[in-house]
Amino acid sequence: AQSVTQLGSHVSVSEGALVLLRCNYSSSVPPYLFWYVQYPNQGLQLLLKYTTGATLVKGINGFEAEFKKSETSFHLTKPSAHMSDAAEYFCAVSAFSGGYNKLIFGAGTRLAVHP
Amino acid sequence: EPEVTQTPSHQVTQMGQEVILRCVPISNHLYFYWYRQILGQKVEFLVSFYNNEISEKSEIFDDQFSVERPDGSNFTLKIRSTKLEDSAMYFCASSSGTSVRSLFFGPGTRLTVL
Repeated sequence: AQSVTQLGSHVSVSEGALVLLRCNYSSSVPPYLFWYVQYPNQGLQLLLKYTTGATLVKGINGFEAEFKKSETSFHLTKPSAHMSDAAEYFCAVSAFSGGYNKLIFGAGTRLAVHP
Repeated sequence: EPEVTQTPSHQVTQMGQEVILRCVPISNHLYFYWYRQILGQKVEFLVSFYNNEISEKSEIFDDQFSVERPDGSNFTLKIRSTKLEDSAMYFCASSSGTSVRSLFFGPGTRLTVL
């Protein structure tokens, strides 16, 4: 069965600092991996996704993630944090079940950005 | 850009009452989903729906829950007799195919059960 582990429920960085949000997955089949962002009182917005091809994936708002099969990881990074990046971030893996895909989400990491 | 829409954005109900959450998927999509997020917790899969029938459901999706596509455009989630623990954000999603590569989420409906 597929699963996702996000290390660190809360991460705090200074404005301008590197953002690193960790995600490890477990999957018995080649995974599709996703990062979603959720701003307070809002829905889920897709940041980026890995399906096949290039392992370094670039997303919106300057975020990127690298799929590392050997480490079963898909960590999210941004070189320079902005105050507007403060939000909850969810890593997800696709679970192929009976021909219908669904997403399995991690518990989320709340990112705080301070001046 | 096409988007999934959900109504209402916030629903308050009394315990034991029935609620219907509505979703309008993207027009050419064929696969529909409901997910739930209890406050402060992870997003959880509830149910997938294709060709007018449930294709998969989680253990959360018990007999109190039902889904329907009543008119070819709306996709609804009904909770027959709400419980306090049903309070959550409910997200609708749709996709054009079985692959989650084409999955789009709606903005969610916050359900509060008093």
